[in-house]
Amino acid sequence: DAKTTQPNSMESNEEEPVHLPCNHSTISGTDYIHWYRQLPSQGPEYVIHGLTSNVNNRMASLAIAEDRKSSTLILHRATLRDAAVYYCILRDPRGYQKVTFGTGTKLQVIP
Amino acid sequence: GAVVSQHPSWVICKSGTSVKIECRSLDFQATTMFWYRQFPKQSLMLMATSNEGSKATYEQGVEKDKFLINHASLTLSTLTVTSAHPEDSSFYICSAITPLERREKLFFGSGTQLSVL
Repeated sequence: DAKTTQPNSMESNEEEPVHLPCNHSTISGTDYIHWYRQLPSQGPEYVIHGLTSNVNNRMASLAIAEDRKSSTLILHRATLRDAAVYYCILRDPRGYQKVTFGTGTKLQVIP
Repeated sequence: GAVVSQHPSWVICKSGTSVKIECRSLDFQATTMFWYRQFPKQSLMLMATSNEGSKATYEQGVEKDKFLINHASLTLSTLTVTSAHPEDSSFYICSAITPLERREKLFFGSGTQLSVL
C-alpha cells in the first residue's frame, strides 16, 4: 500500500484557516485520497476524500495537486473542536485491501 | 451515515483472563472489518483483517492465538484477547468498509480501552 507523509504537528489560531499537507508520491492511478481525524480516546472520524478534483463538504475542503502526488486538507475556520490528529491515507476501492495509517498531523488550535 | 458500534468502551481485567470486544455495523453489511491497536501518542497499528465467514488475516508480529477474531455474520466481528497481560493494555479500534458508496469509506468504532492489571 502506498505510503503518505505528513508533518507531525501544526498550530493554528482559532477562526483562522488551516492547511494540512500530505505527500503521497507513490500514489497509484486508482487510489483515492482519504482524510480522517481522531479526537483523544475516540475512533477516527471520516473527514473527506477525493480522486483528482478538489472536493468540498461541510467539514473541510480537499485540494489535490495536478500530479496527485500531494494533497492539502483545508479547514476554513479552525475551532477548538478541530484540535485532533489528522490522518491522510490512500484507498483503492476496487477491493477490500487493508488500510494502514501513518503518523498523522496533530493539530493544535490556539484560542 | 453508516455507524459502527463497538463495545465495551473500556474494560479492566486481571492478568490471565480473556476479554471479548464486539464490533457491529448497525445499518449496513460489512463483509470486511479491520482491527487496530493504538498505544498512547502513537498511530493506529493494523492487527488483522476480518472477512465474514472466513479466517482473519493477521499482520506480521500479531499472535493469532492470542488475538482471536471471529466474523460470523455480516454485522458482527469480535476480538478476544486471550490470557491478557499488562502489555496487552491498549486502545483497540475496529473499522468497517461500507459498501453503500462505491468509494468505500471507512467507518470506525469508538474504541475500547483495555487495562490489564
